Amino acid sequence: NAGVMQNPRHLVRRRGQEARLRCSPMKGHSHVYWYRQLPEEGLKFMVYLQKENIIDESGMPKERFSAEFPKEGPSILRIQQVVRGDSAAYFCASSPGTSGNNEQFFGPGTRLTVL
Amino acid sequence: QQQVKQSPQSLIVQKGGISIINCAYENTAFDYFPWYQQFPGKGPALLIAIRPDVSEKKEGRFTISFNKSAKQFSLHIMDSQPGDSATYFCAASRGGTSYGKLTFGQGTILTVHP
Repeated sequence: NAGVMQNPRHLVRRRGQEARLRCSPMKGHSHVYWYRQLPEEGLKFMVYLQKENIIDESGMPKERFSAEFPKEGPSILRIQQVVRGDSAAYFCASSPGTSGNNEQFFGPGTRLTVL
Repeated sequence: QQQVKQSPQSLIVQKGGISIINCAYENTAFDYFPWYQQFPGKGPALLIAIRPDVSEKKEGRFTISFNKSAKQFSLHIMDSQPGDSATYFCAASRGGTSYGKLTFGQGTILTVHP
């Protein structure tokens, strides 16, 4: 049973470019979460999605950031016009979404570097 | 109200010793408290978790102690090994529309000397 998959593992972008981060949840999991980890800091919640729905985006910046989890395919976190402050590790987690079970399993992360 | 405070920031323990990491929370609506272990360059891995209806949970060398009235919980690693050297994060979440959204502590860097 494959775990949560993220790609790319490392991404380098110049200021003003777009970054697309992909996440495939564990088999059977229908809930996806995105977190951001700045150097030497803990993880900060960004957005929570179910298939075709954004449930909670309270942690995501209002501008330049968007997320989707289509009916088919991986979840995508998109950052437009990247700035140096966007450099961080972005982690995706998935959970089964069954009642009373909110165990989240994390992927290996995408490390974004903005030059 | 959404904060989770973790201490210490770093911890050095000798092999075979007990490692203790503490967390405190403010939001009484939190009802799920997991601990994660993270190695450099890797994603966090779920270690053990507890709900407020029990005061202690043990899995192998890892134990969570939970004090609901004090709004505190801690991770105890018995017989600490050099392979346990990693960063540990406590977290908390609640139900409702924020179901599953984890609020993390700042992390503790654990070093176990051989």
